Amino acid sequence: GENVEQHPSTLSVQEGDSAVIKCTYSDSASNYFPWYKQELGKRPQLIIDIRSNVGEKKDQRIAVTLNKTAKHFSLHITETQPEDSAVYFCAASPRKLTFGTGTRLQVTL
Amino acid sequence: DSGVTQTPKHLITATGQRVTLRCSPRSGDLSVYWYQQSLDQGLQFLIQYYNGEERAKGNILERFSAQQFPDLHSELNLSSLELGDSALYFCASSTGDGTYEQYFGPGTRLTVT
Repeated sequence: GENVEQHPSTLSVQEGDSAVIKCTYSDSASNYFPWYKQELGKRPQLIIDIRSNVGEKKDQRIAVTLNKTAKHFSLHITETQPEDSAVYFCAASPRKLTFGTGTRLQVTL
Repeated sequence: DSGVTQTPKHLITATGQRVTLRCSPRSGDLSVYWYQQSLDQGLQFLIQYYNGEERAKGNILERFSAQQFPDLHSELNLSSLELGDSALYFCASSTGDGTYEQYFGPGTRLTVT
């Protein structure tokens, strides 16, 4: 089955800096790659996703890039704000979602 | 608010007991997915139903079962509960069966004592 690895497990950045979270996947049949943000005790919220026919997608301060050859995809958050502090999960899906282990992002003032 | 609802929000029960968690998908969504999230852990896929039929199974224990009813709501039944079953249980829904965006409900926090 699919295996998704996510790095780093924790990330601390200063407000205004950029944050990058990286994921690798194993199943070359995976064609859908969503990212979820989860605040403490809350539901995971879909923040951006990308499909395998696209290399990059942007939504305001958030962007995701996909390298199918290397089987990795990344989340980029620019101009980070304190409200970006949360756990971020990547996932990959050839059929059902397999999630990474999460990255705890802390944005400090 | 994702439009997915789950009840109850919290559940405290004893080992050996049986509980039922309920999920109502977003209006128009035919797929329901169940996930388990243990403390400080990732999301483990349990099972998926699409329009009443089981479509995919993940790491679901034999003590756990689920079903989706004609009105598309779903129930996850957990029996012979153990301390290790304490977790957040989320359901998510999507429009179709396959690689569609999944929207999560608020979760049910299960505590087994």
